[in-house]
Amino acid sequence: KQEVTQIPAALSVPEGENLVLNCSFTDSAIYNLQWFRQDPGKGLTSLLLIQSSQREQTSGRLNASLDKSSGRSTLYIAASQPGDSATYLCAVNGDAGNMLTFGGGTRLMVKP
Amino acid sequence: GAVVSQHPSWVICKSGTSVKIECRSLDFQATTMFWYRQFPKQSLMLMATSNEGSKATYEQGVEKDKFLINHASLTLSTLTVTSAHPEDSSFYICSAEGQGHQPQHFGDGTRLSIL
Repeated sequence: KQEVTQIPAALSVPEGENLVLNCSFTDSAIYNLQWFRQDPGKGLTSLLLIQSSQREQTSGRLNASLDKSSGRSTLYIAASQPGDSATYLCAVNGDAGNMLTFGGGTRLMVKP
Repeated sequence: GAVVSQHPSWVICKSGTSVKIECRSLDFQATTMFWYRQFPKQSLMLMATSNEGSKATYEQGVEKDKFLINHASLTLSTLTVTSAHPEDSSFYICSAEGQGHQPQHFGDGTRLSIL
């Protein structure tokens, strides 16, 4: 059974810092991996999707990497802003079907 | 882009009431819809997967008689929480995927509060 772990569970940084969120998964047989953002009381916004054959994806100040063999992904946020404050969820899509397994999330607070 | 609408966004009701939540794919046909549950400060847990025209597949530990799922068309799935009790209070989120192993698109969630 796939297990997804995110570290740290919570993070508070001053504005402008570059930061890294970590995600690890136990079963490397994955179809793809996604990073989502969730604001309090809201649904999920997809940030980046990395296919199993890819190593990284970039969108603006966000960069996500994938090391499938070691079961790790990182989300890099450059020049963090208060508007980046949210919970970031990593989800792994298993090889056998389109089922997402979510990590516990990292709650990010960027202080002005 | 693909849009999933979930309704209602927030419902408060008395214990014993049955509550229906709708999930619609607005601009694409969703062959599969997923229902998740999220407790405060916790991650999403998959409750069930539903395919249009067939019975939903429930995850272990989810009572199918408690959480009734209907996926009658390619654009609509409903989750009915029957005889809801305070322990059913949670945030319920649906997602939908199109044909061909497309990424899931998520609704905005429904906050259910049972008094």
